Amino acid sequence: DGGITQSPKYLFRKEGQNVTLSCEQNLNHDAMYWYRQDPGQGLRLIYYSQIVNDFQKGDIAEGYSVSREKKESFPLTVTSAQKNPTAFYLCASSPGTLWAQHFGDGTRLSIL
Amino acid sequence: AQRVTQPEKLLSVFKGAPVELKCNYSYSGSPELFWYVQYSRQRLQLLLRHISRESIKGFTADLNKGETSFHLKKPFAQEEDSAMYYCALSVPGGSYIPTFGRGTSLIVHP
Repeated sequence: DGGITQSPKYLFRKEGQNVTLSCEQNLNHDAMYWYRQDPGQGLRLIYYSQIVNDFQKGDIAEGYSVSREKKESFPLTVTSAQKNPTAFYLCASSPGTLWAQHFGDGTRLSIL
Repeated sequence: AQRVTQPEKLLSVFKGAPVELKCNYSYSGSPELFWYVQYSRQRLQLLLRHISRESIKGFTADLNKGETSFHLKKPFAQEEDSAMYYCALSVPGGSYIPTFGRGTSLIVHP
C-alpha cells in the first residue's frame, strides 16, 4: 500500500521538551514537506526538502528542525524554542516541487 | 511573495444549488494552480489542477489570468461535497513550492 505514513497520530509534549514527528513515504518521491495547520490559518510551510541531504526553511521554520538522511524519511523535531507548538502537523511528498502533493494523515501535537 | 486569497471561510448551500469557491492569487506570470480537498476524517488530497483542464467529481476550475483567479465551480452541489477546500499556487520564482490559501469550508445541506 503506497503512501505517506505519519506517526504518532497524537503527541503530547511537556514544557521544555523536544519531540520528533515521523514521516515516511514509499512513493519514491524526491520532494517532502512539513506544514502546520491551525484553524483559520490554512497550511503554513515549515520546511521542505527537494532532495536527500538537502532541506530549506519555509515560512515558519523558527523552533523547528528537520533532517533528510534517506529519501523516504523526513522527520520533524519541534524544539523547546517553539513557543506555541500546539497544532496539527501535516507531512507531504511529491515527485518534484512542480507536481501535486500527497499528504499524510497528520499528527496532532498538544502541550501538557 | 506570491499570495493566495480565499475570501470565504464558510460557504453554505443546499443540495442541487450551484457552488463557486473563490480563489484569487497575486502573481504576474504563469502560475501552477491546484485545488485540494479534505473530507471529514480523510487526508488532504488533490482535487484538480489547472494544467490538466479536467473535471473531477463534477468540479471545474478555470484560470483567469486577467482577474488572477482560479475559482472552483460545480453546477449542482451534492451532500458528499461537504468538505474543506484549499486553493494552492506554485510559481517558478519560489522553486515551485506551493503557497496555500486559508481554505473554505463548504457545507451542502440536504
